[in-house]
Amino acid sequence: DVKVTQSSRYLVKRTGEKVFLECVQDMDHENMFWYRQDPGLGLRLIYFSYDVKMKEKGDIPEGYSVSREKKERFSLILESASTNQTSMYLCASSLKQWGYTFGSGTRLTVV
Amino acid sequence: QKEVEQNSGPLSVPEGAIASLNCTYSDRGSQSFFWYRQYSGKSPELIMFIYSNGDKEDGRFTAQLNKASQYVSLLIRDSQPSDSATYLCAASSGGSYIPTFGRGTSLIVHP
Repeated sequence: DVKVTQSSRYLVKRTGEKVFLECVQDMDHENMFWYRQDPGLGLRLIYFSYDVKMKEKGDIPEGYSVSREKKERFSLILESASTNQTSMYLCASSLKQWGYTFGSGTRLTVV
Repeated sequence: QKEVEQNSGPLSVPEGAIASLNCTYSDRGSQSFFWYRQYSGKSPELIMFIYSNGDKEDGRFTAQLNKASQYVSLLIRDSQPSDSATYLCAASSGGSYIPTFGRGTSLIVHP
């Protein structure tokens, strides 16, 4: 069964902390994505990557960065966490245009 | 601006009925269409995709695509309480690996 694994289900961090969200997929997918999902706002794309070492900004990259050193791993970094980054973070991967497989999500609370 | 529109609902149907979920999209270049199911507090799960005009059936689910009308629908036959979830519609253009998501329709199936 194909899988996208996000390292944490729930996280609570303090304002100003540097936060790392990890995502690993075992499907050999080239494409990986980070979204956040907020009530009433739907899914919003933060960053994506089509290949190792490659990254592209999505619709809301401000305050975030990413790293993809290996094909299976795509990390999202909150450089200095703020309360408005409290959200559900979803990692996804895909092979070409065949639809996404999502991870189970990380619910991040910044206090 | 590419848009995918869904009625937020909730759509309430009795158990055993047919649930009809609808979606319109603005980009005439869209070629791939997806339906995701998202249970409360969980991540989205791909349940159907369709690329050609007409109907595509998978078990109790039927996806319908009408490119001339820019309209996609999902029918759920013999609805069960376990089908209660938010259903996200997504559309992507040819060559793009990033779909545009609708904000979802909440479906409630009551016994």
